[in-house]
Amino acid sequence: DTGVSQNPRHKITKRGQNVTFRCDPISEHNRLYWYRQTLGQGPEFLTYFQNEAQLEKSRLLSDRFSAERPKGSFSTLEIQRTEQGDSAMYLCASSLVGGNEQFFGPGTRLTVL
Amino acid sequence: KNEVEQSPQNLTAQEGEFITINCSYSVGISALHWLQQHPGGGIVSLFMLSSGKKKHGRLIATINIQEKHSSLHITASHPRDSAVYICAVKTSLYNNNDMRFGAGTRLTVKP
Repeated sequence: DTGVSQNPRHKITKRGQNVTFRCDPISEHNRLYWYRQTLGQGPEFLTYFQNEAQLEKSRLLSDRFSAERPKGSFSTLEIQRTEQGDSAMYLCASSLVGGNEQFFGPGTRLTVL
Repeated sequence: KNEVEQSPQNLTAQEGEFITINCSYSVGISALHWLQQHPGGGIVSLFMLSSGKKKHGRLIATINIQEKHSSLHITASHPRDSAVYICAVKTSLYNNNDMRFGAGTRLTVKP
């Protein structure tokens, strides 16, 4: 399978704990995006990378959130001191520069108790 | 007001019915996408449109750029079509962060 993959698929954690998610994009795609989706809503943009550079962060991305893409391939999204409001589906997508289409991973569903 | 509005929010149909989901947007776009999301979260791209009409199997997507409106039609609906359908627009050709999403339409097709 050469699509976008995300790990883990599900994560349950207690409030205050740190969590880290991983996204592996399609190998030749140089752009990688993170989105958050809450129940009944469409995805909301969090941040995106072009190669290893993080080019934009949404206002939704508080100081507790950090994303990296150290070698321009896979990316990690870390949430520190999780809160119940962080419970959501975290989606990753990738694309080529200049491409109109983004390809989505299966998502990581986070539940903060 | 959201930049991308979908209607209806929820739709229940009997197997075999013709289904229409609507999307209106208020921003200038370079492309409009129809996405399908099944329970469990995975999103699949169904169509990418910048003008006119596209057809794939039982699915048809149309867009009217002047009216800033798109429709997704499903002919001869089937229970396996049950999913959330999301309209998304790309607002700029070169800035791939500029994707705006509708809230989705939850379709349930009953046998």
